[in-house]
Amino acid sequence: EPEVTQTPSHQVTQMGQEVILRCVPISNHLYFYWYRQILGQKVEFLVSFYNNEISEKSEIFDDQFSVERPDGSNFTLKIRSTKLEDSAMYFCASSSARTGVNQPQHFGDGTRLSIL
Amino acid sequence: DAKTTQPTSMDCAEGRAANLPCNHSTISGNEYVYWYRQIHSQGPQYIIHGLKNNETNEMASLIITEDRKSSTLILPHATLRDTAVYYCIVESGGGTSYGKLTFGQGTILTVHP
Repeated sequence: EPEVTQTPSHQVTQMGQEVILRCVPISNHLYFYWYRQILGQKVEFLVSFYNNEISEKSEIFDDQFSVERPDGSNFTLKIRSTKLEDSAMYFCASSSARTGVNQPQHFGDGTRLSIL
Repeated sequence: DAKTTQPTSMDCAEGRAANLPCNHSTISGNEYVYWYRQIHSQGPQYIIHGLKNNETNEMASLIITEDRKSSTLILPHATLRDTAVYYCIVESGGGTSYGKLTFGQGTILTVHP
């Protein structure tokens, strides 16, 4: 069964450094998402991406965050200058159509980001 | 604002059916009910979704009341590996919401031997 894959599984970064989290969505999917989950808290939506542009973003997704689909397979989340509070699990998801049009999102197993 | 209400936790004996309720009294006509689960700190796993009719797949059944204000996820023969947090989510994906899923706290289901 096709899967969403994320790399690395664990990223340790010094505060203030840039970090790029990578995702390979399911190959025929057109909609891409990033979510995060701070330890012990809810899964939170960050951003959705379709047709090479951001469709929707949350208040968390400020100017420090950016997303890109650099080629036909990868979908990346960049944090320009990391802060301690960016420490969290980051989940990538993809769907073949907008959720609610009968196609669910499928999630990867996440990247654990630890900011020191 | 929470669109769904779920019990904080539930227990189930291995081999028995697990019935997880969800209230979504403010659901609108174009909103689907989705169920996901999260095992330990893995990514959320899609289980099932529905609009009006009851649905069944290889993992579970979804029973939606006629007025659509509540639903029940049924795991017919729970195993220890079904121990997880179960999320009931209502989303439309239409209008200005591009399929954003809003997760609540979910129900912690513990399956015991």
